[in-house]
Amino acid sequence: DIQMTQSPSSLSASIGDRVTITCRASQSISDYLNWYQHKPGKAPQLLIYAASSLQRGVPSRFSGSGSGTDFTLTISSLQPEDFATYYCQQSYSAPHTFGQGTKLEIK
Amino acid sequence: DVQLVETGGGLIQPGGSLRLSCAASGFTVSGNYISWVRQAPGMGLEWVSIIYPVGSTYYADSLKGRFAVSRDYSKNTLYLQMNSLRPEDTAVYYCARVLYSNYPNFYIDSWGQGTQVTVSS
Repeated sequence: DIQMTQSPSSLSASIGDRVTITCRASQSISDYLNWYQHKPGKAPQLLIYAASSLQRGVPSRFSGSGSGTDFTLTISSLQPEDFATYYCQQSYSAPHTFGQGTKLEIK
Repeated sequence: DVQLVETGGGLIQPGGSLRLSCAASGFTVSGNYISWVRQAPGMGLEWVSIIYPVGSTYYADSLKGRFAVSRDYSKNTLYLQMNSLRPEDTAVYYCARVLYSNYPNFYIDSWGQGTQVTVSS
């Protein structure tokens, strides 16, 4: 199975900050990498698919990059509604494993 | 509009069985890829399974042999049969529609609200 490792596991930041979350795959997964946002009590929401494609309706302050084994999710200017947990997921081969999550908290 | 509604969760004793349902609307379960994902208390998202339109199924290694996915085309509903349940299977279970950009670059675009499964004596 492909292992996905996110860093950091948690992050404190302020409104307006630029934030970067990284995700590393245990083997090359090309661009088969997705990012989701998850808030307590709600269903997860797709932000980025295929490493860098912004899902329709997602604000442009979210962006993704990377290929192979190393990927990043960047939020250019944090807004109050962005405080949540973020997960990467690989779809290169089943099982389509998730990273362990990065909890983004208000500083 | 695409909608997925999970039902069937509840409290079950260890070793018991439970069948979750996922009723879909706005798309057909027969023509789409659909995954199950779960989240245990205080833990992250865990991928459970995927079923292809042609019927192929894949499962997380730790669940093979205990969980099984099936479909009822007439009800446009997906099922997750869970057997030999363990306390560590306690989680919120989500069903989700899976799309792809350049096949097979899959991603989940729509999720249900989830159903709680608690395995405890």
